[in-house]
Amino acid sequence: RKEVEQDPGPFNVPEGATVAFNCTYSNSASQSFFWYRQDCRKEPKLLMSVYSSGNEDGRFTAQLNRASQYISLLIRDSKLSDSATYLCVVWMDSSYKLIFGSGTRLLVRP
Amino acid sequence: NAGVTQTPKFRVLKTGQSMTLLCAQDMNHEYMYWYRQDPGMGLRLIHYSVGEGTTAKGEVPDGYNVSRLKKQNFLLGLESAAPSQTSVYFCASKERRGIIGEKLFFGSGTQLSVL
Repeated sequence: RKEVEQDPGPFNVPEGATVAFNCTYSNSASQSFFWYRQDCRKEPKLLMSVYSSGNEDGRFTAQLNRASQYISLLIRDSKLSDSATYLCVVWMDSSYKLIFGSGTRLLVRP
Repeated sequence: NAGVTQTPKFRVLKTGQSMTLLCAQDMNHEYMYWYRQDPGMGLRLIHYSVGEGTTAKGEVPDGYNVSRLKKQNFLLGLESAAPSQTSVYFCASKERRGIIGEKLFFGSGTQLSVL
């Protein structure tokens, strides 16, 4: 079983739609969680960290469920510019490693 | 302040050739990482370093070697390139324990093709 799993998609949604992605992780000792965004053939960029209490940044909301070992990303009012691959990332202090999921592709159509 | 710089950006090798990818960061970061990315596979960790003079294996270390002789540089070597090593390689660095959390700073990637 992969340490971090995501639905690869693609999620094909119209502009203005709300879309949600989930990500599950296997190691209960995982300590920090993040969503990165990656545009085609470019380096990943940090979208937002995910806090235990949940957090929001504009149209983006991230949630963490430690009991069920998953994190989620909600995008409201989708824009064409949101089209990208969204990577779920997990960090463990004990291993110094950031582990990436394989990504969920989002396509926002006019 | 250039951040993380990878060289080269593109390279084509023949099977059996060797090469070294260079990653340089000017942010005084302790941790550095090499990832490879293949279609549908996400980023997989090859090797990483938690400080000058130290390296460790990641998920897919076979066929690669690394060195961290200076804190700012992390080198990835392919001793005998194979077609299976055709990929996009990303270098990244982060603070030991950052005020901004565990954010990774990425280089722009190296597209490597092995024929």
